[in-house]
Amino acid sequence: AQKITQTQPGMFVQEKEAVTLDCTYDTSDPSYGLFWYKQPSSGEMIFLIYQGSYDQQNATEGRYSLNFQKARKSANLVISASQLGDSAMYFCAMREGQPEGGGYQKVTFGTGTKLQVIP
Amino acid sequence: SAVISQKPSRDICQRGTSLTIQCQVDSQVTMMFWYRQQPGQSLTLIATANQGSEATYESGFVIDKFPISRPNLTFSTLTVSNMSPEDSSIYLCSVDVGQLNTEAFFGQGTRLTVV
Repeated sequence: AQKITQTQPGMFVQEKEAVTLDCTYDTSDPSYGLFWYKQPSSGEMIFLIYQGSYDQQNATEGRYSLNFQKARKSANLVISASQLGDSAMYFCAMREGQPEGGGYQKVTFGTGTKLQVIP
Repeated sequence: SAVISQKPSRDICQRGTSLTIQCQVDSQVTMMFWYRQQPGQSLTLIATANQGSEATYESGFVIDKFPISRPNLTFSTLTVSNMSPEDSSIYLCSVDVGQLNTEAFFGQGTRLTVV
C-alpha cells in the first residue's frame, strides 16, 4: 500500500493567490515526521517544511504552512501569495519512527504535484 | 545541515557506455543514498552507501548495473553501466542522519539522457 498519496498530478494557481497541495499518509507508527520538498526544473530537491507527529501546532516557514490533520492523516502544504518562482514539482515525504532493535528508517516520497503559477 | 556537491549536473551519453556521478559532502556523514527519478516519476532509492562496507541495493537494482563506491565519509560515486535509453533519469545523491525530525539533504541532481 502507498504510504504517501498525492492525488493532484498537476495544479494551476494565479500569481499572488494561495494554493493547497494535498498529501495523505498511511502509518500505524505513533512517531513519524512529514516533509515537503520542492523540485524545480533544474532537478534539485529543496526542503521546505517539516511537521512532527507530536507537534501541537501546524508548522510554518515563511510563505509555506502545513495544514496537519492528524486524525485524517493529512499534511497539506499551503503556499500563500504564490510567485512565478513557485512553479515546480512538490513532493510530500514521511519518515516513520525508529524500528524495533534500532537502525535507520528511510524517507518515503509521494508521487508529487506539479504546480504552475500563472501570471 | 549538509551541503552536497554533485556532478555532472547533466550529461548526454551514448547507449552502451557508462557514466560515473560524483557526490561530495562538506561534512562527514555515515550514510549516503542514491536515488533515481525517472521522467515524471517520484524518487526511487537505488542503494544505501556506508563507508567501509558494500552498498546495500534495493529490490530491482543490482551492483553490476549501478556500482557504488564510498571511499571515505565525505564522498561517494554512482556508476550507471552499459546504459540504455531506459536509464535516462535524474540521479540524486542524498545524506540523511536518519533522525525522525531531520530532513534528508540532496545534491543538485544529475540529469542523464541516453541516446
